[in-house]
Amino acid sequence: GAVVSQHPSRVICKSGTSVKIECRSLDFQATTMFWYRQFPKQSLMLMATSNEGSKATYEQGVEKDKFLINHASLTLSTLTVTSAHPEDSSFYICSARIGRVNTEAFFGQGTRLTVV
Amino acid sequence: GENVEQHPSTLSVQEGDSAVIKCTYSDSASNYFPWYKQELGKRPQLIIDIRSNVGEKKDQRIAVTLNKTAKHFSLHITETQPEDSAVYFCAASIANTGNQFYFGTGTSLTVIP
Repeated sequence: GAVVSQHPSRVICKSGTSVKIECRSLDFQATTMFWYRQFPKQSLMLMATSNEGSKATYEQGVEKDKFLINHASLTLSTLTVTSAHPEDSSFYICSARIGRVNTEAFFGQGTRLTVV
Repeated sequence: GENVEQHPSTLSVQEGDSAVIKCTYSDSASNYFPWYKQELGKRPQLIIDIRSNVGEKKDQRIAVTLNKTAKHFSLHITETQPEDSAVYFCAASIANTGNQFYFGTGTSLTVIP
């Protein structure tokens, strides 16, 4: 299957700082990528849809100014958690699909963010 | 967006028995329903999917059924093995509205040897 690479896999940051997470599609072009957040033993909650060359579409309740998404190329989307707080600690995972109609989603390895 | 519910949240079965996980969805426009398996600390991996023009699909020990009228779909694992132990997520997607996946709440399956 297709490969989606996410970095870093783990990051610890101080409260108030910003953290950038990268999501790359290694062997295909992804006009759309998706960012999810997963709490321990819970489901994948869709945060936003990242669109290449345009603004991201955020799900209801997700602060767009706090979770900045940039999709500058067909193979790279970034999620920046700004002014991080301990409650932002979570597992963040991206995904991408090849094509637009009824196709499998491929996931990155995920990023475990801990804000201290 | 779409609302996907999944039951049960935890499931324990004896090795060799069958396991069934059920999901319901709210948006009748959803037309693609994948199932993902996630092992601890790892990324979700697709195990089977079904499209809305099909009622059932099978791949070896895994099968998925879809009832569009009732808006529910189920995952069936037969002859379970310890390596089937993981968290399973169902999802629903609408092809023509952004293509997002909305996931169910997950089922933690434990297969007891």
